[in-house]
Amino acid sequence: GAVVSQHPSRVICKSGTSVKIECRSLDFQATTMFWYRQFPKQSLMLMATSNEGSKATYEQGVEKDKFLINHASLTLSTLTVTSAHPEDSSFYICSARRGGATNEKLFFGSGTQLSVL
Amino acid sequence: DAKTTQPNSMESNEEEPVHLPCNHSTISGTDYIHWYRQLPSQGPEYVIHGLTSNVNNRMASLAIAEDRKSSTLILHRATLRDAAVYYCILRDRGNNNDMRFGAGTRLTVKP
Repeated sequence: GAVVSQHPSRVICKSGTSVKIECRSLDFQATTMFWYRQFPKQSLMLMATSNEGSKATYEQGVEKDKFLINHASLTLSTLTVTSAHPEDSSFYICSARRGGATNEKLFFGSGTQLSVL
Repeated sequence: DAKTTQPNSMESNEEEPVHLPCNHSTISGTDYIHWYRQLPSQGPEYVIHGLTSNVNNRMASLAIAEDRKSSTLILHRATLRDAAVYYCILRDRGNNNDMRFGAGTRLTVKP
């Protein structure tokens, strides 16, 4: 089946630094990728939708200058958490979709646990 | 956006069937019903999806009510590895077909 690879799986950084998370679709071209954030014991919250070659669409309340998303190719999207602070500590998950039909399922990465000290 | 309602938690015994309900009374005629599950510390994984007819695959079965206002995910024989949070989701055609998660149902499987 289709595989989405997400790296790193875990990162610990100091407050004020930036962290980049990569999401790759390994065996298919992903026209659209989604980024989610999940706090402990809570559901996934959609942060932004990323289409290859265009600017990402951010959900209300998500700062686009803080969470930079780049979808430069059909197999790679990156999320950069800029000037990270402890409140940004969370589980970040990406997903990718092959096509745009509403019956097209999503493939998820294994997630990145970010801890900001 | 069409929303879904699921019980917060359910318990099952190992080797027994599990029926996970989902209400989606505001579903539109072309919304697909998707089910995903999330094991601890992992990203979600696809389970099954359908539109109007019942669906079966190697993981589960999906029973969709005739009026489509509810559906039930059926695990025929629960195993300890099926312990997860199960999400029932409707595709949102109005926003780039994105997929928004509700609270889901936390399934506990007892040996």
